[in-house]
Amino acid sequence: GNSVTQMEGPVTLSEEAFLTINCTYTATGYPSLFWYVQYPGEGLQLLLKATKADDKGSNKGFEATYRKETTSFHLEKGSVQVSDSAVYFCALSDGEGGKLIFGQGTTLQVKP
Amino acid sequence: EPEVTQTPSHQVTQMGQEVILRCVPISNHLYFYWYRQILGQKVEFLVSFYNNEISEKSEIFDDQFSVERPDGSNFTLKIRSTKLEDSAMYFCASKGDSGNEKLFFGSGTQLSVL
Repeated sequence: GNSVTQMEGPVTLSEEAFLTINCTYTATGYPSLFWYVQYPGEGLQLLLKATKADDKGSNKGFEATYRKETTSFHLEKGSVQVSDSAVYFCALSDGEGGKLIFGQGTTLQVKP
Repeated sequence: EPEVTQTPSHQVTQMGQEVILRCVPISNHLYFYWYRQILGQKVEFLVSFYNNEISEKSEIFDDQFSVERPDGSNFTLKIRSTKLEDSAMYFCASKGDSGNEKLFFGSGTQLSVL
């Protein structure tokens, strides 16, 4: 079945450091790919998405490119801020009903 | 931005008791979901609900689980006889239409079964 694998956390960075959170997937067909973010005490929020190969999703300085050849959707940001501290979830759509399959989440902590 | 609201934020119950987790999806949304996350594990799909019926459910969603949309605004998840392994964070989500893949999530209910 379809699945998503994320790099283990937690990831601890200093402010203004470069961020990469790896995400790879296994899927039949061509799912859409997503990054969701969960700030402390809040629900999961859509950060960005890509719907087909080579698409780049971007939002708030974060980017991820849908790479079909490597089945990856790595999240990157050039310069993180303390306010980016959160849990980041990679996910793919599974079927037409809106069901998402998530990775296990990666905790990011950014220190001043 | 509109929000999905979940109550309570924390629920503690004894093993074997029934619990009802409540969600108020965004008002004009048509598709509703429950997910859960056991501590340290992945967020797992439980069930999707559309047009007043279950459209898909996972293996986790056995006979002990049920969902209901009793009054057009609330969307509830009932666990009939809780087990220790039901302890998890439960997330409700909704979306507006079949063409839009964006799900809106609530902040979750942390269920602890003792």
